[in-house]
Amino acid sequence: AQRVTQPEKLLSVFKGAPVELKCNYSYSGSPELFWYVQYSRQRLQLLLRHISRESIKGFTADLNKGETSFHLKKPFAQEEDSAMYYCALGGNYGQNFVFGPGTRLSVLP
Amino acid sequence: ETGVTQSPTHLIKTRGQQVTLRCSSQSGHNTVSWYQQALGQGPQFIFQYYREEENGRGNFPPRFSGLQFPNYSSELNVNALELDDSALYLCASSKTGGDIYEQYFGPGTRLTVT
Repeated sequence: AQRVTQPEKLLSVFKGAPVELKCNYSYSGSPELFWYVQYSRQRLQLLLRHISRESIKGFTADLNKGETSFHLKKPFAQEEDSAMYYCALGGNYGQNFVFGPGTRLSVLP
Repeated sequence: ETGVTQSPTHLIKTRGQQVTLRCSSQSGHNTVSWYQQALGQGPQFIFQYYREEENGRGNFPPRFSGLQFPNYSSELNVNALELDDSALYLCASSKTGGDIYEQYFGPGTRLTVT
């Protein structure tokens, strides 16, 4: 069965510090993995996906199939990065997306 | 380009009642997915509609049903409401035939069951 875990409910860091939001998954096939973000009073939006290998707003995420992980990283956190972050696993044909429980990132001044 | 819209914004219902939530997909999108997000949890996939037919379903009972219309808008119906159905219901649209994983979310409908 598909499953996504995010071990931290809340992560607080100081501005300028590195950030790593952890995500682990279980899936028997070839996974499609995503990070979604929800800023205060805004709707859920796609941040990045593993297949594009892009860096969005300074965030990157590398798929590690051996460790079944897709951790989100940023070398220098900014206050505007404070938000709720969800790791998600996509099913076949975009069906049955499985979201993790989310990690709230708080970047302190 | 018009984004995903949902109505109503908030809704209060009594246990045992039925509710209908509505979603208009983003312009050019032909696929709609519905999610339930309980407080403090991530969204849970309910089902997806494409070409007016259910195209995948999560672990939700049959009292959760849906419709998709020719203009790609969609409805989520929940019968025999239970207290645990209280949640934020999210609709997301995407474009099958294009990038089906590029989902755009609506603002959600907050349902409270008393």
